[in-house]
Amino acid sequence: SQQGEEDPQALSIQEGENATMNCSYKTSINNLQWYRQNSGRGLVHLILIRSNEREKHSGRLRVTLDTSKKSSSLLITASRAADTASYFCATVAYNTDKLIFGTGTRLQVFP
Amino acid sequence: NAGVMQNPRHLVRRRGQEARLRCSPMKGHSHVYWYRQLPEEGLKFMVYLQKENIIDESGMPKERFSAEFPKEGPSILRIQQVVRGDSAAYFCASSPSTSGQSEAFFGQGTRLTVV
Repeated sequence: SQQGEEDPQALSIQEGENATMNCSYKTSINNLQWYRQNSGRGLVHLILIRSNEREKHSGRLRVTLDTSKKSSSLLITASRAADTASYFCATVAYNTDKLIFGTGTRLQVFP
Repeated sequence: NAGVMQNPRHLVRRRGQEARLRCSPMKGHSHVYWYRQLPEEGLKFMVYLQKENIIDESGMPKERFSAEFPKEGPSILRIQQVVRGDSAAYFCASSPSTSGQSEAFFGQGTRLTVV
């Protein structure tokens, strides 16, 4: 299975701290995407990083990709209570056109 | 440009009834994906469609489930003779090209409850 595994499964931090979530996957990929899901809601796309890229930034978000280790990380800096959500990585394998989601990290940011 | 629209948001069906879930992709998007999510779990891929074609249905149960994306109108995920285990949130996503090239935009989901 290509499904990504995310680590940790749950993370609790205080506002202002940084949050790091990791994602590992099994097969060669075309790209890797990170999504956020607030409880009971749809998914919001955060960042797409292609297999030939190593790092991308978007506001307080920083994503890295290490294709040799088949892993990615999402860093949220200066976290806010509004960042409380589940975060999922999703991969698109070569020769496929479907996003396969990881198991997710539940992030709780306390005020 | 409205986002991906799914309806209904909530659907309650008795065991044995049929459930029809609708998804209108974003304007200009011809690629549609359906996912199922159980509580506290990630999204499981079900099916990938382009206009009038099923491209990949490797995640669809072999029986009772079907999907279509007609030339005109929304994509439909149909579940016949629903059972309690079908209770879940069903999400639809659309993209302007394949997932290998661009991000997918998700709807708010349909929460199916089978009683």
